[in-house]
Amino acid sequence: EDKVVQSPLSLVVHEGDTVTLNCSYEVTNFRSLLWYKQEKKAPTFLFMLTSSGIEKKSGRLSSILDKKELFSILNITATQTGDSAVYLCAVVGAQKLVFGQGTRLTINP
Amino acid sequence: DGGITQSPKYLFRKEGQNVTLSCEQNLNHDAMYWYRQDPGQGLRLIYYSQIVNDFQKGDIAEGYSVSREKKESFPLTVTSAQKNPTAFYLCASTRDSAWQPQHFGDGTRLSIL
Repeated sequence: EDKVVQSPLSLVVHEGDTVTLNCSYEVTNFRSLLWYKQEKKAPTFLFMLTSSGIEKKSGRLSSILDKKELFSILNITATQTGDSAVYLCAVVGAQKLVFGQGTRLTINP
Repeated sequence: DGGITQSPKYLFRKEGQNVTLSCEQNLNHDAMYWYRQDPGQGLRLIYYSQIVNDFQKGDIAEGYSVSREKKESFPLTVTSAQKNPTAFYLCASTRDSAWQPQHFGDGTRLSIL
């Protein structure tokens, strides 16, 4: 059965810290891995990764995929209170998109 | 602006009642999806449609029904057969059938009265 597992499920840090969120997967016919940020309502798209070892970067956020070890990490440097959200990882497989449980990140001032 | 509109934002269901959640998109996307999100869990796929007048069951279709009569619209009916309907429902769309990236609406929160 296809599955995507995120860790940790919950994380509380202080503003300015750097955090690393993890996503491991077992999905048939892997095509791509996506990261989303969900604050209160609609998840918003952050990154799509298809190739192993190539870092995607947007400001303080970056992500990398390891297709051999079947995982991805999302890094956020110099965290701000506006980074507080649930971060969702999803993997596209054979005619399917499988979501992880999400990591709830709380940034305290 | 282009986007996905879900309505209502909050909905209450009485026992034995069917309720319908609306999802409309003006992105000219071919594919649309319905997800259910429970607290502390990721999104689970209920139904999806990759073309007008055609749709497929997702992982948790029991107790739900959909229609896709127009490209822009993909309403979800939560029937009385769905015994635990309290959840946050998200509608999404993609330009084609490639499953990503998904654009989401703001969701409908459904509760039991």
